[in-house]
Amino acid sequence: AQKVTQAQTEISVVEKEDVTLDCVYETRDTTYYLFWYKQPPSGELVFLIRRNSFDEQNEISGRYSWNFQKSTSSFNFTITASQVVDSAVYFCALSGPNTGNQFYFGTGTSLTVIP
Amino acid sequence: DAGITQSPRHKVTETGTPVTLRCHQTENHRYMYWYRQDPGHGLRLIHYSYGVKDTDKGEVSDGYSVSRSKTEDFLLTLESATSSQTSVYFCAISESSVWDEQFFGPGTRLTVL
Repeated sequence: AQKVTQAQTEISVVEKEDVTLDCVYETRDTTYYLFWYKQPPSGELVFLIRRNSFDEQNEISGRYSWNFQKSTSSFNFTITASQVVDSAVYFCALSGPNTGNQFYFGTGTSLTVIP
Repeated sequence: DAGITQSPRHKVTETGTPVTLRCHQTENHRYMYWYRQDPGHGLRLIHYSYGVKDTDKGEVSDGYSVSRSKTEDFLLTLESATSSQTSVYFCAISESSVWDEQFFGPGTRLTVL
């Protein structure tokens, strides 16, 4: 079964704090892809990152970083020195050969950054 | 930004009426998707298309049908709308496979009274 769990429903942090959003996935595939999307209050969905299962290197993009650990089936997302513009709902998603051409999205984590 | 538009952006309709939502892309991407977003459920796939006239069901396809007669257009039809279909509907596209990142349209907020 394919499943993505984002256990943190809502998180609030004060501006400039670091915050980590958790994503745990389940899959039987050895090849699969993981994604993060951002949905700001305006409602659009913005693609952030795609990672394949063979690449366990952590990735950093500005204040954003991603930690992929196959051993714990996790693909966590950290925002360093958070800003008010980071306030959004963040979704993790999974795709792979056994997902039937589907993305499986987690239920999202709502992040509020307080000025 | 990927060229994806959805129409209408907002619609209020009554139970039992047919509704068609349109997704239009200018990227010439092969795959197109329809999702619905509901509180507590994230995004769930309704139907997707992997080419002109090639479509398949997603996780929550009951009560919905789709058509794709041109690469750029993907239509979602609610044959007889029900209140449970009140939702925000997103169209998405990906270039050549389901493993590619998907780019989303702005969404359509549908209310069924």
